[in-house]
Amino acid sequence: EPEVTQTPSHQVTQMGQEVILRCVPISNHLYFYWYRQILGQKVEFLVSFYNNEISEKSEIFDDQFSVERPDGSNFTLKIRSTKLEDSAMYFCAARRAASTDTQYFGPGTRLTVL
Amino acid sequence: DQQVKQNSPSLSVQEGRISILNCDYTNSMFDYFLWYKKYPAEGPTFLISISSIKDKNEDGRFTVFLNKSAKHLSLHIVPSQPGDSAVYFCAASEIDGQNFVFGPGTRLSVLP
Repeated sequence: EPEVTQTPSHQVTQMGQEVILRCVPISNHLYFYWYRQILGQKVEFLVSFYNNEISEKSEIFDDQFSVERPDGSNFTLKIRSTKLEDSAMYFCAARRAASTDTQYFGPGTRLTVL
Repeated sequence: DQQVKQNSPSLSVQEGRISILNCDYTNSMFDYFLWYKKYPAEGPTFLISISSIKDKNEDGRFTVFLNKSAKHLSLHIVPSQPGDSAVYFCAASEIDGQNFVFGPGTRLSVLP
């Protein structure tokens, strides 16, 4: 199965600090996503990214969040000023093209905001 | 606003028996459905999918049934194995949709 990798596996930060979560998608995949899962809750969509721009985002994805693919390889999620409620597992996902294509998920980054 | 519901938070099944996981949705625009399996400390892993033009899709021990009129789908695992113990998420997408909406998950425990 194609592999999406994410770093770090666990990030601990102080409230108000900036964090950058990194994802290396599968090379021939064109659409990229970030999801998060707060402990004990469901997986929630944050943002989708195609052709170097955001194609869709949820209400959760406010001005504190941003995404980019600076080097054509890594896909990053930045949280500008973290809040306690940002503590969650953050999953990156990638898919090839058609909307019916499977999204392949990375192993996730556990973000803990203190 | 729960567009995708999995009303059973947990399910226990004896090894060798059938596991049936259910999922209901409210958005009639959903056209494509997937089941993901998730082990602790790992990302969701794709299991099986179905589009609205079909009512059944089978892959080995896994079969997904879709009842569009009832806005209901189910995942059958036969026979269940202890390694199937995980959290199972149902996810749905609209036609040409960019993102999937996930259900809250059902924790399946297959007892040896």
